[in-house]
Amino acid sequence: SQQGEEDPQALSIQEGENATMNCSYKTSINNLQWYRQNSGRGLVHLILIRSNEREKHSGRLRVTLDTSKKSSSLLITASRAADTASYFCATDVGGSYIPTFGRGTSLIVHP
Amino acid sequence: GAGVSQSPSNKVTEKGKDVELRCDPISGHTALYWYRQSLGQGLEFLIYFQGNSAPDKSGLPSDRFSAERTGGSVSTLTIQRTQQEDSAVYLCASSTRQGVQPQHFGDGTRLSIL
Repeated sequence: SQQGEEDPQALSIQEGENATMNCSYKTSINNLQWYRQNSGRGLVHLILIRSNEREKHSGRLRVTLDTSKKSSSLLITASRAADTASYFCATDVGGSYIPTFGRGTSLIVHP
Repeated sequence: GAGVSQSPSNKVTEKGKDVELRCDPISGHTALYWYRQSLGQGLEFLIYFQGNSAPDKSGLPSDRFSAERTGGSVSTLTIQRTQQEDSAVYLCASSTRQGVQPQHFGDGTRLSIL
């Protein structure tokens, strides 16, 4: 089964609105990463947040991590049509160097 | 600088044929991963190489799948006697060193088995 599961599976918003995606996981993690994938392309790394961190920012992106709830959220503020993509969370546990990816959230931003 | 390069970008072949997929990681990256992504799905881990260590093959779905990495750089994923369920996008990623680091992905090879 997937370690990380994104929610919602699909999200459709208008340009300028904020987009929030969530990731829930089952077991304690070392790190959680968010990636973006444009159609037909590879994944692009967005943010890595460690288990002892609660929030990180990068430009219009804000990631939070709540280890007590085993969940993370990715907020994209003031969305743009170019943000249209699938967004994946990836978690790693224990001594593993192999991140486990969820099925992703498909975000569509309408101009 | 150059990113992760995968070839071919698309491959169509008949069931039962063997295929080879190639990955050129970013120069100097010691860790290399192969993943499989089926339509609308997340990434399924296949195999992980780190430097000169023995690869972690725990994700390979059957003995028809194999991979090698020559000289710590280029990697080849081979699928023998392909089946229709092997149809997917095969993604390669590399990172700078052992340990979870941001992974840099290629654009993948889209494999279609007829």
